[in-house]
Amino acid sequence: DAKTTQPPSMDCAEGRAANLPCNHSTISGNEYVYWYRQIHSQGPQYIIHGLKNNETNEMASLIITEDRKSSTLILPHATLRDTAVYYCIVRVAGGSGNTGKLIFGQGTTLQVKP
Amino acid sequence: NAGVTQTPKFRILKIGQSMTLQCAQDMNHNYMYWYRQDPGMGLKLIYYSVGAGITDKGEVPNGYNVSRSTTEDFPLRLELAAPSQTSVYFCASSPPGSVTEAFFGQGTRLTVV
Repeated sequence: DAKTTQPPSMDCAEGRAANLPCNHSTISGNEYVYWYRQIHSQGPQYIIHGLKNNETNEMASLIITEDRKSSTLILPHATLRDTAVYYCIVRVAGGSGNTGKLIFGQGTTLQVKP
Repeated sequence: NAGVTQTPKFRILKIGQSMTLQCAQDMNHNYMYWYRQDPGMGLKLIYYSVGAGITDKGEVPNGYNVSRSTTEDFPLRLELAAPSQTSVYFCASSPPGSVTEAFFGQGTRLTVV
């Protein structure tokens, strides 16, 4: 599985967009980019994933560069409840003999401030 | 629908004792995983399973054992507890399919003294 690099911490003002970067320069063609977050030592929570196209759901948007070597998770209007550790993970899709296991890095601690 | 259930939530063990951390999911997921998380660190994969009867080692398997006799249950066994195993343990499961999200339990906080 490809490794990822994230900044250890970031701050964001409440109500503003939070843009969390992730580098994954060794990503392979069959690897997806996943984002999870962990709020205050709870179990990690899935946010979004993508292969090469930009993705959006009710929680966030995922922008993947054309060469797929980096991506950005965007929380459009951050709230205090978005304060968490955010993990960017590159993962081979499950099925067809693949385990789909998630290998976590250190993540980015996002602090949303009033 | 309970999702992924871990028991117990908290446990204190003495050095050398053994225990089993229980994990059960009611979503009929093929894939299940055990992670540990030390303070201030990311999650490390201990063991995983792609189906009943099939298990494999992850990044940090030493000192642990697992079994997968049913789709629903994936217990993690500590045979001789050591202080280095003080951690928070998370169980997760994924549905079958090519691109899926993992669902995590709320964790078991284990202290070995």
